[in-house]
Amino acid sequence: QKEVEQDPGPLSVPEGAIVSLNCTYSNSAFQYFMWYRQYSRKGPELLMYTYSSGNKEDGRFTAQVDKSSKYISLFIRDSQPSDSATYLCAMNAGNMLTFGGGTRLMVKP
Amino acid sequence: DTAVSQTPKYLVTQMGNDKSIKCEQNLGHDTMYWYKQDSKKFLKIMFSYNNKELIINETVPNRFSPKSPDKAHLNLHINSLELGDSAVYFCASSQEVGSGDEKLFFGSGTQLSVL
Repeated sequence: QKEVEQDPGPLSVPEGAIVSLNCTYSNSAFQYFMWYRQYSRKGPELLMYTYSSGNKEDGRFTAQVDKSSKYISLFIRDSQPSDSATYLCAMNAGNMLTFGGGTRLMVKP
Repeated sequence: DTAVSQTPKYLVTQMGNDKSIKCEQNLGHDTMYWYKQDSKKFLKIMFSYNNKELIINETVPNRFSPKSPDKAHLNLHINSLELGDSAVYFCASSQEVGSGDEKLFFGSGTQLSVL
């Protein structure tokens, strides 16, 4: 079992839908939680960053961390075709980042 | 002006050859990394350098040798290439290291295909 699990998808939604992307993890030492977005043939770019539990909102994006359930989520409101990408969660216990395998999202116009 | 740039973007080569990938960052960061992304999109760290010093060396075959001539550059040399080395290799940099707060900036990747 991998330390960080993420459904690979693809997840296909119509434009304007609310998207929910999730990761589960097994290492309770993880304290820092991030979401990276990766467009095809590009490098990942940092989208959201949260420390410990709670919510963080940035425009159409909301990141949630539930440490008791070892579960993190990324919500995208009013999804756009330009949101079509692979979303990778990443976590850190203070030594190095551990990435999930990514979920491929397709937003159809 | 690209923050983290790596060359070449594509590399096609025969088994047994030796090849290098170069990386440069202009963000003024102290730490640079090499990651490997397999066909299932899993990103795995290979090496990390902080101010030209090796600080992370994951279980990677000795055929892979990183070199950091200065803190803005981190190159990856691969000897005796094997079919299983085919993947996308990403260079990244961050200002912090070891705090858990690292925010990584990635290059565009080098698609390596070993035939």
